[in-house]
Amino acid sequence: EAGVTQFPSHSVIEKGQTVTLRCDPISGHDNLYWYRRVMGKEIKFLLHFVKESKQDESGMPNNRFLAERTGGTYSTLKVQPAELEDSGVYFCASSYYAMNTEAFFGQGTRLTVV
Amino acid sequence: AQKITQTQPGMFVQEKEAVTLDCTYDTSDPSYGLFWYKQPSSGEMIFLIYQGSYDQQNATEGRYSLNFQKARKSANLVISASQLGDSAMYFCAMRAPGNQFYFGTGTSLTVIP
Repeated sequence: EAGVTQFPSHSVIEKGQTVTLRCDPISGHDNLYWYRRVMGKEIKFLLHFVKESKQDESGMPNNRFLAERTGGTYSTLKVQPAELEDSGVYFCASSYYAMNTEAFFGQGTRLTVV
Repeated sequence: AQKITQTQPGMFVQEKEAVTLDCTYDTSDPSYGLFWYKQPSSGEMIFLIYQGSYDQQNATEGRYSLNFQKARKSANLVISASQLGDSAMYFCAMRAPGNQFYFGTGTSLTVIP
């Protein structure tokens, strides 16, 4: 079974540019989550999809961040325009709906805004 | 609101010794799940162990066990017979009924040979 895959693994962009991160969850996982970890700090929740619907987007920092989940399959997270403070590792995770199942994480996308 | 607290930013343990990583949580929901993840320097998040709020017994997975004290709202991870490969960041997480995972700030464990 393929795991959660994220593209790209690394991205270096200039302030003001646009970047789109992609996440392919494990097939059959209705729940998809985006998290961000800034250097040595906590894993911060960004948002949660159930199928194609946004269940909770309370962690999205501002309207420069836009997430979509096409047809309940893969998800994209677009940052436009990027700011220096957006740098960090963006993790995607997916899980089954049942609460006693763990989240499976992708390898993360390391975003550096210069 | 749900919250996870890990008060140990860094821990050291001698190889082959046991170590306990602390985790406390706060929730008003009676039904929840508690998880521990390991993040080695390579960056991937590895699931270690799960404990349900209604589970009567502490969870165990190989060298990992979870010391679940519901009344104290604590879910400490115990690693027995530490190995050099256990050096990593460890995150405690809670899954709320709304299905979001809440993470603590993590504990960096270093195993000393």
